[in-house]
Amino acid sequence: GQNIDQPTEMTATEGAIVQINCTYQTSGFNGLFWYQQHAGEAPTFLSYNVLDGLEEKGRFSSFLSRSKGYSYLLLKELQMKDSASYLCAVQYNAGNNRKLIWGLGTSLAVNP
Amino acid sequence: NAGVTQTPKFRILKIGQSMTLQCTQDMNHNYMYWYRQDPGMGLKLIYYSVGAGITDKGEVPNGYNVSRSTTEDFPLRLELAAPSQTSVYFCASSYSMGPGTGYSGNTIYFGEGSWLTVV
Repeated sequence: GQNIDQPTEMTATEGAIVQINCTYQTSGFNGLFWYQQHAGEAPTFLSYNVLDGLEEKGRFSSFLSRSKGYSYLLLKELQMKDSASYLCAVQYNAGNNRKLIWGLGTSLAVNP
Repeated sequence: NAGVTQTPKFRILKIGQSMTLQCTQDMNHNYMYWYRQDPGMGLKLIYYSVGAGITDKGEVPNGYNVSRSTTEDFPLRLELAAPSQTSVYFCASSYSMGPGTGYSGNTIYFGEGSWLTVV
């Protein structure tokens, strides 16, 4: 079956670096997304990885290892506004279509 | 572009009432989705559509219906509302999810959400 695991909660300090891990088990893997969701708001797209390696986008980077079924989201120079839930989602092939499975999200609290 | 627009933002329903959540997108996306999100439960797919006239069930379709008469619109109908349908509902869209679709086509864009309470 398809499964995603990520930590439920994390805490970090303003200005620091935090790494949010995501592990998955899936057949027909076809890409991994990271979304950010502030309380009371919709998820917004952060990154997409389909090949192994690191994708950097400003303060945020995302890493993927397909052989290990593992990804992480790295947030640098943390700001208070980074306090949010971070959702990992895996896309996989299902017949003639692709489907998406979502993790439960990691709630990140950034403290001053 | 407005992106994905859903209405209403908030609604209180009585048990047994029916209502429709409206969703429209102006990005010419062919894939559209309805999710519900409950605390601690993550996003659950209710229904999705791969194009006008084509819809399919997701993980939790019971108690809901959808239609897709145009590319832009994908309303979600709640029949005989129950307390278990109290949730936050998100409409979303993407250009495509099919084989061979590149990165930009896979990104899902969400509406702002609809908070529904059934009492």
